[in-house]
Amino acid sequence: EPEVTQTPSHQVTQMGQEVILRCVPISNHLYFYWYRQILGQKVEFLVSFYNNEISEKSEIFDDQFSVERPDGSNFTLKIRSTKLEDSAMYFCASSLKRQGRSNQPQHFGDGTRLSIL
Amino acid sequence: DQQVKQNSPSLSVQEGRISILNCDYTNSMFDYFLWYKKYPAEGPTFLISISSIKDKNEDGRFTVFLNKSAKHLSLHIVPSQPGDSAVYFCAASAISDDKIIFGKGTRLHILP
Repeated sequence: EPEVTQTPSHQVTQMGQEVILRCVPISNHLYFYWYRQILGQKVEFLVSFYNNEISEKSEIFDDQFSVERPDGSNFTLKIRSTKLEDSAMYFCASSLKRQGRSNQPQHFGDGTRLSIL
Repeated sequence: DQQVKQNSPSLSVQEGRISILNCDYTNSMFDYFLWYKKYPAEGPTFLISISSIKDKNEDGRFTVFLNKSAKHLSLHIVPSQPGDSAVYFCAASAISDDKIIFGKGTRLHILP
């Protein structure tokens, strides 16, 4: 069964450094998402991406965050200058159709644990 | 902001019996409700969903019930198996949105 893959599984970075989290969505999917889960808290939506542009973003997704689909397979999340509070598990997801208008579920990767020191 | 609420952090059920996981929501604009299952060190895995125009959806051992007037849904697992031990997330989405809004999750323990 096709799956969403994320690399690395664990990233340790010094505060203030830039970090790029990578994802390979399911190949025929058209909608891409990033979520995060701070330890002990809910899974929270960050951003959705379709047709090479952001289609929706949350308040968390400020100017320090950016997303890109640099080629036909990868989908990346960049945090420009990391803060301690960015420490979390970051999940990439993809779906065939737009979540809100279909019963097509979002499929999640296994996440990247980001630790900011 | 607690639009999706799972009030039971954990639940223990004997193997072979029925597991019932509950979820409440506050936003009447939600159109789809989803259940995800999560094992440690893995991402959430989609389990089953239901449209807001239905009151029941069944897939094998899993059935989701939706009570719109009470803004409540539940996931029934019958019979419960050891592999069902995991964290279960209730989630919802609205037709105007791309995002899924998750509850905090319920940890299900299936006892031998």
